[in-house]
Amino acid sequence: DTAVSQTPKYLVTQMGNDKSIKCEQNLGHDTMYWYKQDSKKFLKIMFSYNNKELIINETVPNRFSPKSPDKAHLNLHINSLELGDSAVYFCASSQARLPSTDTQYFGPGTRLTVL
Amino acid sequence: AQKITQTQPGMFVQEKEAVTLDCTYDTSDQSYGLFWYKQPSSGEMIFLIYQGSYDEQNATEGRYSLNFQKARKSANLVISASQLGDSAMYFCASTRPGFQKLVFGTGTRLLVSP
Repeated sequence: DTAVSQTPKYLVTQMGNDKSIKCEQNLGHDTMYWYKQDSKKFLKIMFSYNNKELIINETVPNRFSPKSPDKAHLNLHINSLELGDSAVYFCASSQARLPSTDTQYFGPGTRLTVL
Repeated sequence: AQKITQTQPGMFVQEKEAVTLDCTYDTSDQSYGLFWYKQPSSGEMIFLIYQGSYDEQNATEGRYSLNFQKARKSANLVISASQLGDSAMYFCASTRPGFQKLVFGTGTRLLVSP
């Protein structure tokens, strides 16, 4: 049973294209996240949603648009892809928003390569 | 703002020995959480262990323990009896209530040799 799943696992595309990454969690968690891991392995938060509501947006270009149809799903749509968008994108989820420091569980990651 | 520092880019250990991976954090918050994640070469992020700032006892999970020294603002991960499968990147991270984002360190690559 996969707790946090992402599709696709690999994504290779040309500059200028639009692409989406899907994320689903079956843990019953209220909060979901997108993180980006760059080529130096550094991980940084991009977005956080709680019960379909955006609560964190960390200075991400507006070409990136998260969408949460329900609290179990958080998708990431990227417009006009650029070379610098090449990275591994991780989805994660955790139980609660406030006032906890709940553990975040990560999906397997999506490796995006922009040519 | 929170900041996590991992000063060891790489560590080597022989199988069956213990190893300590260093992590220091910088925060002015009273309440925060500290985490360690493992990232093997296959790429997934695996949660290992959690320590809350108000927890008086060091967290332990099997062969993993967290050496939490609040006054020094350090949260070192100790892996006992290293195994070949422990070879991976290890990330220290922190979060605080109400700001549900993890702030990560730069990671330490651990290599376990036979």
